[in-house]
Amino acid sequence: TQLLEQSPQFLSIQEGENLTVYCNSSSVFSSLQWYRQEPGEGPVLLVTVVTGGEVKKLKRLTFQFGDARKDSSLHITAAQPGDTGLYLCAGVSVHSGYALNFGKGTSLLVTP
Amino acid sequence: SQTIHQWPATLVQPVGSPLSLECTVEGTSNPNLYWYRQAAGRGLQLLFYSVGIGQISSEVPQNLSASRPQDRQFILSSKKLLLSDSGFYLCAWSRHTYYGYTFGSGTRLTVV
Repeated sequence: TQLLEQSPQFLSIQEGENLTVYCNSSSVFSSLQWYRQEPGEGPVLLVTVVTGGEVKKLKRLTFQFGDARKDSSLHITAAQPGDTGLYLCAGVSVHSGYALNFGKGTSLLVTP
Repeated sequence: SQTIHQWPATLVQPVGSPLSLECTVEGTSNPNLYWYRQAAGRGLQLLFYSVGIGQISSEVPQNLSASRPQDRQFILSSKKLLLSDSGFYLCAWSRHTYYGYTFGSGTRLTVV
């Protein structure tokens, strides 16, 4: 069962543009995480959000957890080529047990 | 600090041959351990997880198996590989799912 839907699936933008990717679910999550993965590497944890309405900033990246804890967004300001990668959201819910549920990811390409 | 090692990085195996992928964690005790498979750079499919020595939970019926012979060692095996077993295999550990995972660098398996 795919609990997390990410959109868009693919995004190609030019350096300096802003973008937002979304992670949505009908389930409530006690914790939601964002990862970034580069080709041939394992995903790297960017942030964990746990409180409804929470906003966290990591340099040019802003993460928001929905008030109802069913959705999240990642906003990147002034994207750079180094932001290129696959962005995955993952959540902990009553369906998770000991394991995370991952979305299918948003593949981002930032061109100079 | 905690580190996770996964090997080999790449593997090409003929159909019907056995498989053994190994993952070890350093710098922590009693970690939760996970094996995921990722197809075509997209979402992660949970294969197995373990919350203790000798304890394995399987999420997907298939010809793969996992074992945890030591606290910080997690092994993914197959007696006879299928073409459909090709993919990118990722090992991960966590102290608690709530806080996210640390992934290994992955193994690219190609079954020919």
